[in-house]
Amino acid sequence: AQSVTQLGSHVSVSEGALVLLRCNYSSSVPPYLFWYVQYPNQGLQLLLKYTTGATLVKGINGFEAEFKKSETSFHLTKPSAHMSDAAEYFCAVSSTGGGNKLTFGTGTQLKVEL
Amino acid sequence: GAGVSQTPSNKVTEKGKYVELRCDPISGHTALYWYRQSLGQGPEFLIYFQGTGAADDSGLPNDRFFAVRPEGSVSTLKIQRTERGDSAVYLCASSVSGTGIYEQYFGPGTRLTVT
Repeated sequence: AQSVTQLGSHVSVSEGALVLLRCNYSSSVPPYLFWYVQYPNQGLQLLLKYTTGATLVKGINGFEAEFKKSETSFHLTKPSAHMSDAAEYFCAVSSTGGGNKLTFGTGTQLKVEL
Repeated sequence: GAGVSQTPSNKVTEKGKYVELRCDPISGHTALYWYRQSLGQGPEFLIYFQGTGAADDSGLPNDRFFAVRPEGSVSTLKIQRTERGDSAVYLCASSVSGTGIYEQYFGPGTRLTVT
């Protein structure tokens, strides 16, 4: 079985400040890890994914995440927050052989303040 | 090109009624997924189709829930004898294939409210 824990259901940062959204996973097999963003009244959009290879993954809109196997973590960061980053962010895990069905965390609502 | 579409966008029904939710995947995508997102939660997997067949239906909560994809394109999620606990946003996603790591593209969802 796989699971994802996102620490902090709400995170607030100032515009221009570092964004750090935390994700820890549990998986008995090598995981594939994803971050999705959900804007109000829109579908989930993939930000980035880790499958194999380089553990630092860069995604869209300046986001990146680092896979740390020893810490079972996949935290999402962005050096400088923008007002347009305000949204809900979901970390998810899947694995091979399962049709790539995703197991999601409970989400983190990011608020960006002036 | 067109993304994943879902109809209706909102559905209000009375407890005990039958509902159908429709998903139109991206053309050519062979894999189709249904998820359910309850308030304050992340999406939960319901069922996965590869082509016309349900390859994994382990997430369906009980036998009131059923889904079909008869021609390998459009899918319909069917809920019988709806209960208030079925109220949620039902998300559909499609991908090029379910084998290999391909991005899942999500639709905007159908918000189901059972009164």
